[in-house]
Amino acid sequence: QVQLVESGGGVVQPGRSLRLSCAASGFTFSTYTMHWVRQAPDKGLEWVALISYDASNTKYADSVKGRFTISRDNSKNTVYLQMNSLRADDTGVYYCAKDYSTYVMTTVRYWGQGTLVTVSS
Amino acid sequence: DIQMTQSPSSLSASVGDRVTISCQATQDIRNYLNWYQQKPGKAPKVLIFDASNLETGVPSRFSGSGSGTDFIFTISSLQPEDIATYYCQQYDHFPLTFGQGTRLEIK
Repeated sequence: QVQLVESGGGVVQPGRSLRLSCAASGFTFSTYTMHWVRQAPDKGLEWVALISYDASNTKYADSVKGRFTISRDNSKNTVYLQMNSLRADDTGVYYCAKDYSTYVMTTVRYWGQGTLVTVSS
Repeated sequence: DIQMTQSPSSLSASVGDRVTISCQATQDIRNYLNWYQQKPGKAPKVLIFDASNLETGVPSRFSGSGSGTDFIFTISSLQPEDIATYYCQQYDHFPLTFGQGTRLEIK
């Protein structure tokens, strides 16, 4: 079955960087778009970024554009989120998620359990 | 960006009740809408895709309808395990956007 395991979260000071990883298994990783979605404490869901199956296309929420970079390594079945210039409002649980369909960009179907990022001095 | 507005924001109902949640988009999103359920401390789970299609393994008491800008999510007979927050989400246009959520409680 589909498994998505996030790692790399933790406490970081404002202005610093952090890289999240998501290890995928149970499906043909190289054929699916992957997403990151976040959730601030006691708040709703916010889509953050996606990367197409072959990394040729990426998209970002305006709130992270220019600061976050999504990438993937299909040889390692892993997707990454490089987060720079972190701010307090980036605090939350970050979920890695798998798209619905192969080779296209649609929306989130399966979610990992999330990793907590806390930006605080 | 397309804004998604859910109503109500919170809802209290009794076991066995019929529950409905509305979701409205600021522009036509055809039928590109999902409904997710999130239980406390857990990741969200998709219940309905393409506005009205039941995800595999999801009980038939859950249903969705609508197209264009107005959508409805229904639980035909509320069960105790349905206590959660429910979100709609559009995927007709990027960025993907979610409604603010509807918190469902047992009366």
